[in-house]
Amino acid sequence: NAGVTQTPKFRVLKTGQSMTLLCAQDMNHEYMYWYRQDPGMGLRLIHYSVGEGTTAKGEVPDGYNVSRLKKQNFLLGLESAAPSQTSVYFCASSPDRDHTDTQYFGPGTRLTVL
Amino acid sequence: AQSVAQPEDQVNVAEGNPLTVKCTYSVSGNPYLFWYVQYPNRGLQFLLKYITGDNLVKGSYGFEAEFNKSQTSFHLKKPSALVSDSALYFCAVRDITSSASKIIFGSGTRLSIRP
Repeated sequence: NAGVTQTPKFRVLKTGQSMTLLCAQDMNHEYMYWYRQDPGMGLRLIHYSVGEGTTAKGEVPDGYNVSRLKKQNFLLGLESAAPSQTSVYFCASSPDRDHTDTQYFGPGTRLTVL
Repeated sequence: AQSVAQPEDQVNVAEGNPLTVKCTYSVSGNPYLFWYVQYPNRGLQFLLKYITGDNLVKGSYGFEAEFNKSQTSFHLKKPSALVSDSALYFCAVRDITSSASKIIFGSGTRLSIRP
């Protein structure tokens, strides 16, 4: 199993550009998440999905959109990037069989917006 | 609201000495608590969790955590630190107000083990 993979690993954007981050998991997990990690702030939840075709807002959803067209993939989109979106983005998945399951994280995408 | 606090940004320990990384929590109801570790340029890895039962939880890489209900704490411990334990450690709590297994993370503690 590859686990949770993320593409790309690094990206530099100019303000106003758009991009899509791809997360894929091969563990047949129902739940998937997108977080951003900023120094001194831990991880903050952007959006999440409880199953194919469903998405929901997390703690910091503004400026981001997501889609879960296939169970194994969870896409994070930035329509018009801003310097405040410079961060490291992590995707995670979880089976959530009894609400105590752990989350499995991808290696992260480092995004810089100039 | 569910929350966790990690009062120390950085913990420095000599190799071979015991280590403790502190975490306190605030939840309504029974807490589901987790510790994750992040090595440089990597994603988070699960270390251990407390759901119910014994207050001392054993996890990966020789780590353990002690759940203390009266002090609302869930400190991470290891009897003898290794240089390879140097990493960023996150305490987390399950948000039981959510049906989506959302986890709320602390701000992280950087553990540095000197040879």
